[in-house]
Amino acid sequence: KAGVTQTPRYLIKTRGQQVTLSCSPISGHRSVSWYQQTPGQGLQFLFEYFSETQRNKGNFPGRFSGRQFSNSRSEMNVSTLELGDSALYLCASRVENEQFFGPGTRLTVL
Amino acid sequence: AQSVTQPDIHITVSEGASLELRCNYSYGATPYLFWYVQSPGQGLQLLLKYFSGDTLVQGIKGFEAEFKRSQSSFNLRKPSVHWSDAAEYFCAVASGGNTPLVFGKGTRLSVIA
Repeated sequence: KAGVTQTPRYLIKTRGQQVTLSCSPISGHRSVSWYQQTPGQGLQFLFEYFSETQRNKGNFPGRFSGRQFSNSRSEMNVSTLELGDSALYLCASRVENEQFFGPGTRLTVL
Repeated sequence: AQSVTQPDIHITVSEGASLELRCNYSYGATPYLFWYVQSPGQGLQLLLKYFSGDTLVQGIKGFEAEFKRSQSSFNLRKPSVHWSDAAEYFCAVASGGNTPLVFGKGTRLSVIA
């Protein structure tokens, strides 16, 4: 089975712009979670989608949003980018109690 | 709220030496416990997990971890480290099967010849 895929792998944006990241889970997995990884804050949970519905949400501002499509693919969007949004964004698909992570999208905000 | 503490930010061991990475968690009940490894520029790979039962769990790549309820710990061990084990290691907890992971800050492992 193919693993979790994330596109793009690298992205450079400027402050004030918006960005959309994509995640395709492992075939058959219906749950997709997003995490932000920064040197200062470490790994923090953003949100989780299951069958197109947001099931859990972390403590991030409303500029961070997501959605999930009927084929379980998920996108996350960050509007009005700030310098502090520079991070590695990891997507994970879940089956039962185990999460499988993708390689991440490295977002740099200039 | 759950929290995870990995007291060691960086550890250096010699190749062939044994390894123990520490993890302490804060949670009222028995959580779901995980160890992940991350190589530079990569995502997270699950090494092992504990949900219930035998408190000593075996994982991939020769790693094992022991759950100690009295110490709220879930330390990761390997008897003989290989140079390819150099990476960052994260301990994580979850309160249930469908709940988000809460991660520790990670321990960076360097392996010297």
